[in-house]
Amino acid sequence: GENVEQHPSTLSVQEGDSAVIKCTYSDSASNYFPWYKQELGKGPQLIIDIRSNVGEKKDQRIAVTLNKTAKHFSLHITETQPEDSAVYFCAVTGGGADGLTFGKGTHLIIQP
Amino acid sequence: DVKVTQSSRYLVKRTGEKVFLECVQDMDHENMFWYRQDPGLGLRLIYFSYDVKMKEKGDIPEGYSVSREKKERFSLILESASTNQTSMYLCASSPGWMGTEAFFGQGTRLTVV
Repeated sequence: GENVEQHPSTLSVQEGDSAVIKCTYSDSASNYFPWYKQELGKGPQLIIDIRSNVGEKKDQRIAVTLNKTAKHFSLHITETQPEDSAVYFCAVTGGGADGLTFGKGTHLIIQP
Repeated sequence: DVKVTQSSRYLVKRTGEKVFLECVQDMDHENMFWYRQDPGLGLRLIYFSYDVKMKEKGDIPEGYSVSREKKERFSLILESASTNQTSMYLCASSPGWMGTEAFFGQGTRLTVV
């Protein structure tokens, strides 16, 4: 089945700096790559997604890039703010798998 | 605003009890999913459903069953709860095939004692 690796597991950045979280996947047939943000005590919330026919997508301070050849994709957050502190999960679907396969998560800490 | 609602935020059950976790979505999505979330393991798929009365096993179905009698409602059943089923359970619904654009509920923290 699909295997998704996410790094780093914890990321601490100064407020205002950029943060980058990376994921690799194993199934070359996968074609949908979302990112979820989970705040304490809440369910995951979809923040951005990308499909395999696109290399990059931006939404204000967040962006996702996809390299299908290398089978990896990344979340970029610029000008980080305290409210960006959360756990971020990447996910993959569209190959032979059913439903989303998730990475193990990155705890992003924004230092004031 | 789209909404996936799980019936309980916190539950404490005894070993051997039959446990029902309920999930309702108001988006008319055909696809619904149950995941469990454990520290260091991320989210793992237990069961999913693409239509009323239809169910498919996910990656970790052992010890669980599901029911989908109506489009908006998807129930997760622990036939005989065990301590290793203590976890956060998350329900999701999706308009897209295979979980694309999935919306999650707030989660149910289940403790089995």
